[in-house]
Amino acid sequence: QSVLTQPPSASGTPGQRVTISCSGSSSNIGSNTVNWYQQLPGTAPKLLIYSNNQRPSGVPDRFSGSKSGTSASLAISGLQSEDEADYYCAAWDDSLNGQVFGGGTKLTVL
Amino acid sequence: EVQLVESGGGLVQPGRSLRLSCAASGFTFDDYAMHWVRQAPGKGLEWVSGISWNSGSIGYADSVKGRFTISRDNAKNSLYLQMNSLRAEDTALYYCAKSERQWLQRGYFDYWGQGTLVTVSS
Repeated sequence: QSVLTQPPSASGTPGQRVTISCSGSSSNIGSNTVNWYQQLPGTAPKLLIYSNNQRPSGVPDRFSGSKSGTSASLAISGLQSEDEADYYCAAWDDSLNGQVFGGGTKLTVL
Repeated sequence: EVQLVESGGGLVQPGRSLRLSCAASGFTFDDYAMHWVRQAPGKGLEWVSGISWNSGSIGYADSVKGRFTISRDNAKNSLYLQMNSLRAEDTALYYCAKSERQWLQRGYFDYWGQGTLVTVSS
């Protein structure tokens, strides 16, 4: 069981906006920033969002992140077929003294 | 271009040992903390261990504490993971990941390797 909680699946049609939630606690999301990783099928994870809402160079602005209290969310607007992937949230946990991940959300573009 | 290339994976019997390596290039290796993250077949990501730029701060997941040892050789731009007393549940793809900061705590992984597969089975 993962420390951070994500829905196992999400879906949308091309052009739609979808959101993926990530729930934690005061020792992780509540006191540290949240990062999101995208894992395309058969590939290594890639940094998608860092420090709650910052996009690395090359990540389209269709991807955005937010955080409130002990929860965070990833939003993808203008959904495209190439967005079909697994998405993971992560944060440092002060109690465990380590990085913790969500269980991952499999996004399907219908 | 940042490159992280893992090696050392393979098939090993329960209770035996294995040493993973990660060769880094394209950045100043001794300026950054490094981590190992694993992914069991069909499962999610799990942080395994991390080490600060100067090896002064090291952390482990509870699932591997006392069995795995992380280390680095800044002169060789290399990261290592010594895995002892391996169990079936350690079977996973092991990724080497670069932190964006010097210290172990907090931060994020801005680059990942392609992973090396470890299979623990008799």
